[in-house]
Amino acid sequence: DVKVTQSSRYLVKRTGEKVFLECVQDMDHENMFWYRQDPGLGLRLIYFSYDVKMKEKGDIPEGYSVSREKKERFSLILESASTNQTSMYLCASSLWDLAGGPDTQYFGPGTRLTVL
Amino acid sequence: SQELEQSPQSLIVQEGKNLTINCTSSKTLYGLYWYKQKYGEGLIFLMMLQKGGEEKSHEKITAKLDEKKQQSSLHITASQPSHAGIYLCGADLEYGNKLVFGAGTILRVKS
Repeated sequence: DVKVTQSSRYLVKRTGEKVFLECVQDMDHENMFWYRQDPGLGLRLIYFSYDVKMKEKGDIPEGYSVSREKKERFSLILESASTNQTSMYLCASSLWDLAGGPDTQYFGPGTRLTVL
Repeated sequence: SQELEQSPQSLIVQEGKNLTINCTSSKTLYGLYWYKQKYGEGLIFLMMLQKGGEEKSHEKITAKLDEKKQQSSLHITASQPSHAGIYLCGADLEYGNKLVFGAGTILRVKS
């Protein structure tokens, strides 16, 4: 079974703090993703990575950065947390399909971040 | 995402009743995924559909893909309290490795 873990289930931070969210997968997946989930908006892609040290912006990258130094680990960084970044953050991973087609994304349990 | 519309937004059904959730895309579907989420938790993968007319089942949940209508439906037969949660559809609209997601359908099952 694919296992995707996230470092914290709940996190409370203050405005202006630097926040690190960690995600680890154990299935040797090439692709890793960070989403945020807000009521009525569904999941929105922040950043994704298809290889170590590679990253691409998703739909809402502003205010976030990412790091992928090892294949199994993908970190999301909030350089200076703001209240509008209060949200549920979900990490996912998937295989890289050589044909360029879709492959199933497997999700972690999520981190509920509150910025005060 | 407005590219992927789910309906209804929420649903309350009596235990034992059948129900259907729809997911409609404004673009060509290269792959359609159904996930279930318990409140405050991660997404659990249910099924993936790729070909028009494809139908898959898992226990009492059946999903179909209508390629012409660019739509997928998720049907639950004889609903149980364990079916309660949020159902999300995700779609590959660019034949790549990214997905876009619908806003989700909240299902409550009354016993």
